[in-house]
Amino acid sequence: KQEVTQIPAALSVPEGENLVLNCSFTDSAIYNLQWFRQDPGKGLTSLLLIQSSQREQTSGRLNASLDKSSGRSTLYIAASQPGDSATYLCAVGTSGTYKYIFGTGTRLKVLA
Amino acid sequence: NAGVTQTPKFQVLKTGQSMTLQCAQDMNHEYMSWYRQDPGMGLRLIHYSVGAGITDQGEVPNGYNVSRSTTEDFPLRLLSAAPSQTSVYFCASGRRDRGLGDTQYFGPGTRLTVL
Repeated sequence: KQEVTQIPAALSVPEGENLVLNCSFTDSAIYNLQWFRQDPGKGLTSLLLIQSSQREQTSGRLNASLDKSSGRSTLYIAASQPGDSATYLCAVGTSGTYKYIFGTGTRLKVLA
Repeated sequence: NAGVTQTPKFQVLKTGQSMTLQCAQDMNHEYMSWYRQDPGMGLRLIHYSVGAGITDQGEVPNGYNVSRSTTEDFPLRLLSAAPSQTSVYFCASGRRDRGLGDTQYFGPGTRLTVL
């Protein structure tokens, strides 16, 4: 059974700092991995999608990497801003199905 | 495009009552799903559908029914609400595209309280 873990559960950093969020999964037979952002009381917004055949994806200040063999993905945020404050979730799509397993998220606070 | 819409935004039920959470999308996505989000538990998949007339169970399907009669709509039914079903419910849709993968788009959520 696929299990997805995100560490740390919460993170507080000063503005301008580069930071890394971690996502680990137990079964390497994945279809893809997706990173989402969730603001308080809101739905989820997709940030980056990495196919199982890809190693990384970039969008602006965000870079997500995927290492299937070690069961890990990282989301790198460059030059963090207070507007980046949110909960970040990763979700793993299982090969052969349409099932997605979510991690419990990392709650990020960027201090001005 | 309105994207993924959910109604209602808030709902309070008494134990044993039934209700339907509505979800609609206007992006012609074949894939739709329902999740519940509880504190410290992340999002858990309840049911999903890969097209009209096709549904399947997720991680936590007990106590919930779904049907998919059209591409656009995917309602979630609670037949006899229980306090354990107090949660925030999210609907999502997406497409399976070999070129672009299957990005999921989420609705704003329905906050349900069962007394």
